[in-house]
Amino acid sequence: DTEVTQTPKHLVMGMTNKKSLKCEQHMGHRAMYWYKQKAKKPPELMFVYSYEKLSINESVPSRFSPECPNSSLLNLHLHALQPEDSALYLCASSQGGPGPYEQYFGPGTRLTVT
Amino acid sequence: AQSVTQLDSQVPVFEEAPVELRCNYSSSVSVYLFWYVQYPNQGLQLLLKYLSGSTLVKGINGFEAEFNKSQTSFHLRKPSVHISDTAEYFCAVSEVAAGNKLTFGGGTRVLVKP
Repeated sequence: DTEVTQTPKHLVMGMTNKKSLKCEQHMGHRAMYWYKQKAKKPPELMFVYSYEKLSINESVPSRFSPECPNSSLLNLHLHALQPEDSALYLCASSQGGPGPYEQYFGPGTRLTVT
Repeated sequence: AQSVTQLDSQVPVFEEAPVELRCNYSSSVSVYLFWYVQYPNQGLQLLLKYLSGSTLVKGINGFEAEFNKSQTSFHLRKPSVHISDTAEYFCAVSEVAAGNKLTFGGGTRVLVKP
């Protein structure tokens, strides 16, 4: 199984809402990633978890809060977002360690902030 | 810090014709190089990667790329494209000491015409 799943596929939320994006993999990978992708742009790295610990935070605003409850799951908690946060949010996973390892991407959650 | 430039934002090509997508990178240290493809409404999929060794790298779906260290380039080629190759293609680089942190180029949209 080389699949990374993400839920929900689409999400519309108001600026005062709290919501969460979920990502799951069952490949035994120990590194997981969140990317943000705006339309017609490349993915931008947000966070990296390595062995369930946050290893990279690319200066992401605190209204985005990642969580890695176990080696298979990755969440992104959203609170008080702005319209400019509307984007495709991609999750990826790879083997842990120094790498380099192929990153396997999920299909993404398309987020619209109204 | 590294950077990646994809010289063509769009490449229209007729079915069964060859295609070349250009990628140049800038880095002060050794790098690993990747090409990813993103089909509409999907996540990214790895086409091929250069880590070391032979500068000609073969990937999935008939794609290949050549690493040229002196020109800091990693161009992607396919001798004969199919309609199904219509997608966005991203070149990415990871510095050897930076593990799995990817920096993407701006992307090249390939439109295959019948």
